[in-house]
Order: sequence, then structure tokens, then C-alpha cells
Amino acid sequence: GAVVSQHPSWVICKSGTSVKIECRSLDFQATTMFWYRQFPKQSLMLMATSNEGSKATYEQGVEKDKFLINHASLTLSTLTVTSAHPEDSSFYICSAHQGVTGELFFGEGSRLTVL
Amino acid sequence: QKEVEQNSGPLSVPEGAIASLNCTYSDRGSQSFFWYRQYSGKSPELIMSIYSNGDKEDGRFTAQLNKASQYVSLLIRDSQPSDSATYLCAVPRAGGTSYGKLTFGQGTILTVHP
Repeated sequence: GAVVSQHPSWVICKSGTSVKIECRSLDFQATTMFWYRQFPKQSLMLMATSNEGSKATYEQGVEKDKFLINHASLTLSTLTVTSAHPEDSSFYICSAHQGVTGELFFGEGSRLTVL
Repeated sequence: QKEVEQNSGPLSVPEGAIASLNCTYSDRGSQSFFWYRQYSGKSPELIMSIYSNGDKEDGRFTAQLNKASQYVSLLIRDSQPSDSATYLCAVPRAGGTSYGKLTFGQGTILTVHP
């Protein structure tokens, strides 16, 4: 089946620094990828849609200047958390699907801890 | 009313029993429904999708959909300790056609004890 890979799996950073998370589709091309966030003991919430070759679209309440998304190729999307603060500590998960009606597959997730 | 609602549990069943997980949704126009399993500290993995009223079986898993009642359920037969996880019900965003934009329920924690 489709495989979506994320890197890094774990990252710890100091408050005020920036962190980049990569998401790759390994055996298919994804013109669109989706970034979700999951706080402890909560469900997944869609943050933004990453569009290859164009700007990302963000969900209401998600700061686009804080969560920078770049989708420069058909297999790679990156999420950069800029000026991270402890409240940004969360589990960030990217996803992609094959075609418009393809089922959604998730990457392994990246757990961010901001000290 | 939340768009997707699940009983958070925890639901505890003995090994070998049937585990029944329930989900209701608010958007009558929803056409697709997904069940994901999420182990602690891991990302969700898709275990079942269902699009038509009735039952859909895949191994020990059966998804049941009743659009009139806006209800979807997941049955796990012969439950194993390895089935212990959080089960997430998800539907595409209201009015959306993309299966990438999903609204998730809060998840039901299932524990299967030996």
C-alpha cells in the first residue's frame, strides 16, 4: 500500500527556535498533502492543506506565518514551526492520498517538544 | 453538536469477545466513513472504510453504516490484546469532496484483557 514517511520522529527544541518536519510520499506522487496536529488525549485536527507548486491553505485559527508549509515537489512537503513555544508541543502528522477519492494514509508522525 | 461523536470509553472486553464501537455524525450529506486505529504514541492507520448502507466485513472487522440514523459502527470479533488501541471514526469535512480533509471523533479507547 501507499507509504508516507515523516522525519524526524522526535524533536526537542528551545523556545524561540524553528523546527522543520519533512513529509514524503514514497511510492506515489501527491499533489496535495495534509498536516494534522494532535494534542495529548485529543483527536486529530486538520491544520493545513499543502498544495504542490502553490500556497498552502490553512484551517481557521492556524497561523500561516507560524506554521510555514512548502510543497516543492510531488513527493515532499515540509512544515516549519517558527519561533516555537511550549504550547506548540504536539504530535504533528502528515498525510496523503492517491487521487481525489483515494484513502488517506498517515505518516509516522513527529512529536515536537518545546522547552 | 459535534460533527463526529464517539463514546470515549474506555471500553474493556475480554479476549475472544466482540468489541462494539459506535460513532454518530451530524452531516446528512456524508458519503464516506472511515475507521482508524491508533496505538499509543503512533499515528493512525486505516482499518476500514465504508460508503454504502449495510455491513462491510474484512477479516475480524465489520463496519456497519446506517445513513438514515447517521450512525456507523465497528465490530471486532475474537478480540485480541493486540487490538487494544484508540479507534477513531472519521468523515470527510462537511461539504467537502476531498478525502484528505477529515473530521475525526475523539476516539474510543479499547482495552482487551487476557
